[in-house]
This record gives sequence, C-alpha cells and structure tokens, in this order.
Amino acid sequence: GENVEQHPSTLSVQEGDSAVIKCTYSDSASNYFPWYKQELGKRPQLIIDIRSNVGEKKDQRIAVTLNKTAKHFSLHITETQPEDSAVYFCAASLNKFYFGSGTKLNVKP
Amino acid sequence: GAVVSQHPSWVICKSGTSVKIECRSLDFQATTMFWYRQFPKQSLMLMATSNEGSKATYEQGVEKDKFLINHASLTLSTLTVTSAHPEDSSFYICSARSTDGADYEQYFGPGTRLTVT
Repeated sequence: GENVEQHPSTLSVQEGDSAVIKCTYSDSASNYFPWYKQELGKRPQLIIDIRSNVGEKKDQRIAVTLNKTAKHFSLHITETQPEDSAVYFCAASLNKFYFGSGTKLNVKP
Repeated sequence: GAVVSQHPSWVICKSGTSVKIECRSLDFQATTMFWYRQFPKQSLMLMATSNEGSKATYEQGVEKDKFLINHASLTLSTLTVTSAHPEDSSFYICSARSTDGADYEQYFGPGTRLTVT
C-alpha cells in the first residue's frame, strides 16, 4: 500500500514568516494530493489540493508544489498568522486516502 | 453542500459491549465511505473502505470481525465496534465520496469520540 511520510513533526515560526511542510509518497500511481488543517477535536478541513497533472497550485497565502518524479509534495504558507496554528496533514490518494503523520504548526505572535 | 454527519459525537461504553457509529451524507449520495481512526496527537489511519451494497474492504491489520461495517444505502454507513476494550478508545472519523463529484473528493464527518471504560 501507499506510505506517506511528513516532515517536520513540529514547526514553530514567527508571525509573518513562511512555513514549509514536506511530504513524500511511495506509490507512483497516486494522483491526488490534498492538504488538511485540523484543529483539536475537530474534523480535518481541506485547505488546498493538487492533482498529478499539475506541478503547482496557489490560493492566496497557501501554495502546494508537486514533484512526481521525486514523489514529493510540499505545502507553503506565507505571511503566517496566529490563526494558522493547527495540525496539518498531507495525504496521497488513488482511490483510498493515506495520510502523513502530521505537522503541528505554531505561529508565535 | 457536501455535509457529512456522524452520530453519536461522543460515547462512553463499558468493556465488552458493542457500539454503533453512524455516518450519513446529508445532501449528496455516497457510493464510497471511508472509516478512519485517530489516536491522540496522531494521524488518521484508514481502517476500511465501505462501498454501498457490497462488503467493506479492510486495511491490513484491522480486524473485520471486530469492526463491522455496513453500507446499506447511498447515504448511510455504520461502524460497529464489537466487544469493545479500552484500547479501542479513539476518535473515529468517516468520510464520504460523492457519486456526482470528482472521484478524488472526500468530505469528512465531525468524528465520534469513543471511550471504553
């Protein structure tokens, strides 16, 4: 099955700085890569996604890049704000969804 | 649109009893639903894929006789934790894939916190 690895496990940045979270996947057949934000005790919320036929996607302060050859994808958050503090999960999917281990992002005001 | 509900939101049961968790797609039909388990400060672990009208597909290491899944209609899947034990205490989350949406979209339920005493 698919194996998704995510780094770092924790990330602390100053408000206004950028944050980058990286994931790798093992199954080259995976074709969909979403990123979720999860606050404590709540459901994951989709924040951005990318399909395998696209190399980069941007939505305001959030961007995702995908390198199919290397089988890795990254989440970039610019101009971070305290409300960005949460746990972020990457996932890789063909039909099923497999999640990374999560990154706890702390944005210090 | 694309709302998924779960019931109950939390449940406490005694060791040895069974607990049923419902996952409903409220405004769309879902041929496929997924069940995940999430331990504190850990990731979502896919337990099984539930397809309407057929048997669920379980991930390796997940006991199908312990975690019974039924997907009887296009809007309802149930997960029954049988003979629950304290180690089954966890946050259980379902997600649903729309029959009309892109084949890569899934919508999460709010989760069910199970505590086994």
